[in-house]
Amino acid sequence: GAVVSQHPSWVICKSGTSVKIECRSLDFQATTMFWYRQFPKQSLMLMATSNEGSKATYEQGVEKDKFLINHASLTLSTLTVTSAHPEDSSFYICSAEGRTSGESWDTQYFGPGTRLTVL
Amino acid sequence: GESVGLHLPTLSVQEGDNSIINCAYSNSASDYFIWYKQESGKGPQFIIDIRSNMDKRQGQRVTVLLNKTVKHLSLQIAATQPGDSAVYFCAENRYATGRRALTFGSGTRLQVQP
Repeated sequence: GAVVSQHPSWVICKSGTSVKIECRSLDFQATTMFWYRQFPKQSLMLMATSNEGSKATYEQGVEKDKFLINHASLTLSTLTVTSAHPEDSSFYICSAEGRTSGESWDTQYFGPGTRLTVL
Repeated sequence: GESVGLHLPTLSVQEGDNSIINCAYSNSASDYFIWYKQESGKGPQFIIDIRSNMDKRQGQRVTVLLNKTVKHLSLQIAATQPGDSAVYFCAENRYATGRRALTFGSGTRLQVQP
């Protein structure tokens, strides 16, 4: 249980184009999902918190108009990188808050990540 | 707070030995802690978690210890296997604030020698 998927797993795009990344909780409902960014050999950096049915909450320094987040259902959140540039190249990881059977509290389960390369 | 580093500390152990990975957290108000394992090119994989009203929790081959007095968290892996080689992150949260996002440590690389 508690499986989170991401699609695509990797994407290469030209500078100036937009890229959409999907995050799905496969076997549980997640009212809250999170988007992280990770550079090589570094830790995860939280970009935004995505809440189903409401606007995302962005961390300081993250441009909300550049990184569009939509949480349309309890199992799907999308991150769109608009007008991508080479400096946006990174590993983007989502997580979903949920609970497996037998657990008495929620925890965060992560997707496999999406490698974005902007040429 | 968040800790970002370019040089991960590395723990090298022999296959079959026990491993202990340590983490110091900064916020005494944190009430929930998680250990994640991340293999190269993959997302973090949940290992075990613990709440602040506990000082020890055991899973399969893993044990997490929490010392709130010194703000220290450790992950113990019994009978370490080559498949345990990865980067391990601790993460903390303060649910009491209503903020549900995790703050990650800088990570420790575990290398298991056959």
